[in-house]
Amino acid sequence: NAGVTQTPKFRVLKTGQSMTLLCAQDMNHEYMYWYRQDPGMGLRLIHYSVGEGTTAKGEVPDGYNVSRLKKQNFLLGLESAAPSQTSVYFCANRQGASGELFFGEGSRLTVL
Amino acid sequence: SQQGEEDPQALSIQEGENATMNCSYKTSINNLQWYRQNSGRGLVHLILIRSNEREKHSGRLRVTLDTSKKSSSLLITASRAADTASYFCATGPTSGGYQKVTFGTGTKLQVIP
Repeated sequence: NAGVTQTPKFRVLKTGQSMTLLCAQDMNHEYMYWYRQDPGMGLRLIHYSVGEGTTAKGEVPDGYNVSRLKKQNFLLGLESAAPSQTSVYFCANRQGASGELFFGEGSRLTVL
Repeated sequence: SQQGEEDPQALSIQEGENATMNCSYKTSINNLQWYRQNSGRGLVHLILIRSNEREKHSGRLRVTLDTSKKSSSLLITASRAADTASYFCATGPTSGGYQKVTFGTGTKLQVIP
């Protein structure tokens, strides 16, 4: 079992380019989350989903879009990348409204 | 703004000593969790304490929760070099998006062999 898998692991973009980060799970969990981690800032919640077809905004949603068309996948999109979006992005899931989160290994994005 | 703040931001101790890190949060919570992150890796869950619990143990870990002060502490006893990592607290609010899980800024622990 892979658990939570993020692709790609590394990406370099130019300002204004678009891209999509994919989070895939084989755990059949309902809840999925996207975070970004910056030095000294800890993890900040971007968007989350409580089930297939649902999404909701987190603490820092601006500049990002998400989709959860299938239960096992949670996509994070950057329509027009900015240098401020240079960060490490983590996806996580959990079974219910409480309980532990399971994390992927992260996707390191650099926007030049 | 982030829900939690850890204190201290960084901690350096000798192997065998105890390490204590603190977390303060802002809103009422259902539970509080602690996670560990090794450099360059994803976070790993350590322990969960519910809002009606005051103390919980797991191996060398001891967590306390004081909901009146909106604070928690994580104690790692008899630390080992392998405990070197960053530690984060995470909380979910009781209302207004209870499914959210927000993290503190973390404590970076270094255990010197």
